[in-house]
Amino acid sequence: NAGVTQTPKFQVLKTGQSMTLQCAQDMNHEYMSWYRQDPGMGLRLIHYSVGAGITDQGEVPNGYNVSRSTTEDFPLRLLSAAPSQTSVYFCASRPLWGDRGRAEQFFGPGTRLTVL
Amino acid sequence: AQTVTQSQPEMSVQEAETVTLSCTYDTSESDYYLFWYKQPPSRQMILVIRQEAYKQQNATENRFSVNFQKAAKSFSLKISDSQLGDAAMYFCAYRSADSYGGATNKLIFGTGTLLAVQP
Repeated sequence: NAGVTQTPKFQVLKTGQSMTLQCAQDMNHEYMSWYRQDPGMGLRLIHYSVGAGITDQGEVPNGYNVSRSTTEDFPLRLLSAAPSQTSVYFCASRPLWGDRGRAEQFFGPGTRLTVL
Repeated sequence: AQTVTQSQPEMSVQEAETVTLSCTYDTSESDYYLFWYKQPPSRQMILVIRQEAYKQQNATENRFSVNFQKAAKSFSLKISDSQLGDAAMYFCAYRSADSYGGATNKLIFGTGTLLAVQP
């Protein structure tokens, strides 16, 4: 198993550009999520999905879009990049049903994004 | 809404010594899970230890143990015999338990404690 993979590892954008951060998992997990990590603020939830075709907003969704067309993939789209979106982005997945929240959440290696 | 607080932005410990990282949380729920994650310089998030709120016994994983005080809403992490490889950012996290399978029980993180290990 490759686990949770993210591409790219690093990215530099100019203000106003758009891009998609890719996330894939091969563990057949229903639940997938995106976090951003900023100094002194921990990890904050951007969007999450409980299955193909089902997504919802997290704590900081503005400026980001997601879709979930398959169980494996959960891309994060930046529509018009802003310097405030400079951050490290993590994708994560875990099984959903039956564990009552106990299951370990598996994280990807992260993407460091800089918006100039 | 639930919140997680880590009041120690940075900690330092001598190699082979013991260190305790603090975490408090706020919730009105009675059933939930608590986690400690380690993030070394590689950025990878690694689960260190997990505690189920309905269990009174404190979780242990080798040199890592927790002191779970449910009434005080406290969940500290003790690292014994500290090693250079323990140097990392440590995050405390909370998740609600959901008897229906957890459709929306999100993982809520504290702001982290940066642990340095001195040789």
